[in-house]
Amino acid sequence: DVKVTQSSRYLVKRTGEKVFLECVQDMDHENMFWYRQDPGLGLRLIYFSYDVKMKEKGDIPEGYSVSREKKERFSLILESASTNQTSMYLCASRSQTYGYTFGSGTRLTVV
Amino acid sequence: QKEVEQNSGPLSVPEGAIASLNCTYSDRVSQSFFWYRQYSGKSPELIMSIYSNGDKEDGRFTAQLNKASQYVSLLIRDSQPSDSATYLCAVKPRREYGNKLVFGAGTILRVKS
Repeated sequence: DVKVTQSSRYLVKRTGEKVFLECVQDMDHENMFWYRQDPGLGLRLIYFSYDVKMKEKGDIPEGYSVSREKKERFSLILESASTNQTSMYLCASRSQTYGYTFGSGTRLTVV
Repeated sequence: QKEVEQNSGPLSVPEGAIASLNCTYSDRVSQSFFWYRQYSGKSPELIMSIYSNGDKEDGRFTAQLNKASQYVSLLIRDSQPSDSATYLCAVKPRREYGNKLVFGAGTILRVKS
């Protein structure tokens, strides 16, 4: 089975900190995604990547950046964390023929 | 118009009944359709995928696709309390680059014992 691993299950950060969320997949998938999920708003796409060093903005990229130096790793960066970035962050990877496989999620609280 | 629409629910069904979850989508040339189940506090997990018109069965789950009417549904037979979760419909529009999926906001299902 595909495994998508997010490095942290829970994080608490202070306003203004730079935050790194790491995601690693073990199935050589080309496509990787970062979403945030908030009550009543569903899943919203932040950034996605279809190859190493390639990235595309999703629907809500403001305040975020990403890095994909290796195929298996896709990192989400909050340049200067703010309280409105408190959310559940979900990483996913996808093969050409199947749906997403999600990581277990990181619940980030910015205080 | 939202790209993928679902009734938010909650949909309440008694144990043993059939739960019917519906989803409509706006991109007529969408080609791949998925149903995810998400338990509270957990990440979504893929339970069904469907690509062609008609029905696809997997155990107690049946996915139905009607491209002409632009809807996809999920039937859960013999519903169990463990089926209580939020069900997300996801669609891959052919025009999209990078295999991005578009998700509905989800339907909350509650199965009462």
